[in-house]
Amino acid sequence: AQSVTQPDIHITVSEGASLELRCNYSYGATPYLFWYVQSPGQGLQLLLKYFSGDTLVQGIKGFEAEFKRSQSSFNLRKPSVHWSDAAEYFCAVGPPGGFKTIFGAGTRLFVKA
Amino acid sequence: DAGVTQSPTHLIKTRGQQVTLRCSPKSGHDTVSWYQQALGQGPQFIFQYYEEEERQRGNFPDRFSGHQFPNYSSELNVNALLLGDSALYLCASSLDGSGRRNYGYTFGSGTRLTVV
Repeated sequence: AQSVTQPDIHITVSEGASLELRCNYSYGATPYLFWYVQSPGQGLQLLLKYFSGDTLVQGIKGFEAEFKRSQSSFNLRKPSVHWSDAAEYFCAVGPPGGFKTIFGAGTRLFVKA
Repeated sequence: DAGVTQSPTHLIKTRGQQVTLRCSPKSGHDTVSWYQQALGQGPQFIFQYYEEEERQRGNFPDRFSGHQFPNYSSELNVNALLLGDSALYLCASSLDGSGRRNYGYTFGSGTRLTVV
């Protein structure tokens, strides 16, 4: 079965500290992997995507993610968190061709001063 | 460059009523997907439209239907509304990858539907 698991419902980090959000997936074929961010009351914005090549992919807003095939993981990282990064983050998986994309339940990030 | 536009932004309906939500995709995009996001949950795939046809459907009842127009815009219709249909409905547009690429989605801000 195809699924995305984000083990952490919410995470709190101090401003300036590093961040890692976890994502594990189950997918039959080689998928595209995505991270999206959602601010309160808004739609989702694409942060980055991965399909092949270098397993460390850079995205917008200073985020990066690392693909580990052996662990079926695609964790999101940021070296130094800003208060404006407080939002909900969704990991997602989809096939080539742009068909149905499956989202995880999300991780809510809180940033404390 | 206009992104994805959804209307209305908020809507309150009574159980049993019908509702139509609208979406204009990002310029250059030809595929529209609809998602339902319940409070505190991740988006759930309803269906996807490409070339004016429903190309793929998620696990939603037939009360949920849609349409795509020649200009790529789309509508989501929900009949016989239930309290459980209360959610944020998200429209996502994309460029079809012809079975080879996946460029990811551009989302609208959503329509908040409340069923009372």
